[in-house]
Amino acid sequence: SQTIHQWPATLVQPVGSPLSLECTVEGTSNPNLYWYRQAAGRGLQLLFYSIGIDQISSEVPQNLSASRPQDRQFILSSKKLLLSDSGFYLCAWSVGRTSGGNKEQFFGPGTRLTVL
Amino acid sequence: GEDVEQSLFLSVREGDSSVINCTYTDSSSTYLYWYKQEPGAGLQLLTYIFSNMDMKQDQRLTVLLNKKDKHLSLRIADTQTGDSAIYFCAEGSLSGGYNKLIFGAGTRLAVHP
Repeated sequence: SQTIHQWPATLVQPVGSPLSLECTVEGTSNPNLYWYRQAAGRGLQLLFYSIGIDQISSEVPQNLSASRPQDRQFILSSKKLLLSDSGFYLCAWSVGRTSGGNKEQFFGPGTRLTVL
Repeated sequence: GEDVEQSLFLSVREGDSSVINCTYTDSSSTYLYWYKQEPGAGLQLLTYIFSNMDMKQDQRLTVLLNKKDKHLSLRIADTQTGDSAIYFCAEGSLSGGYNKLIFGAGTRLAVHP
């Protein structure tokens, strides 16, 4: 069966510090991968998605970047955190490279980031 | 542009039915989803419906889709305290080789005795 992991679970960082959040998927190959941010009391905002290694698209301009060094590893980074980067970050995967059918997304447990 | 709207709060008595409503704008949506988020956790897929269906039932859950009005609802029968959570509606469509999901802001369901 497939599983998705995220770490760390919680993180408190000072403004201006770097960030690295990691997401890994097990039990599937060539998944599509996604990073979302959920601000307090709000819905999910798609930040990045990836359909393959080194194939990453950004949905919104921001202070963050993403990388996919391996097929089942997705990393969210920042060089200098802002207060507005605080939130709950969710990684998700879906079956990739299919021509049709339901493509639900499966979510990881999330990382709660607080920038002080 | 694409948009999904939900009411933010719903309070029900234990044992009653809950109905969570959602409206969406993208007529090309192929699937519509309901996700559940418990406090401090990720999202769990509850159910989904294909856009050419108008109803889907899965145990205590009933999804109704009015494609003409772009209205989706989730009914939870015999609501329990364990159903207290945030429920997200999402519309899905293929875009650039990936499954693009647009989420609503979520409806917080509170179940009281």
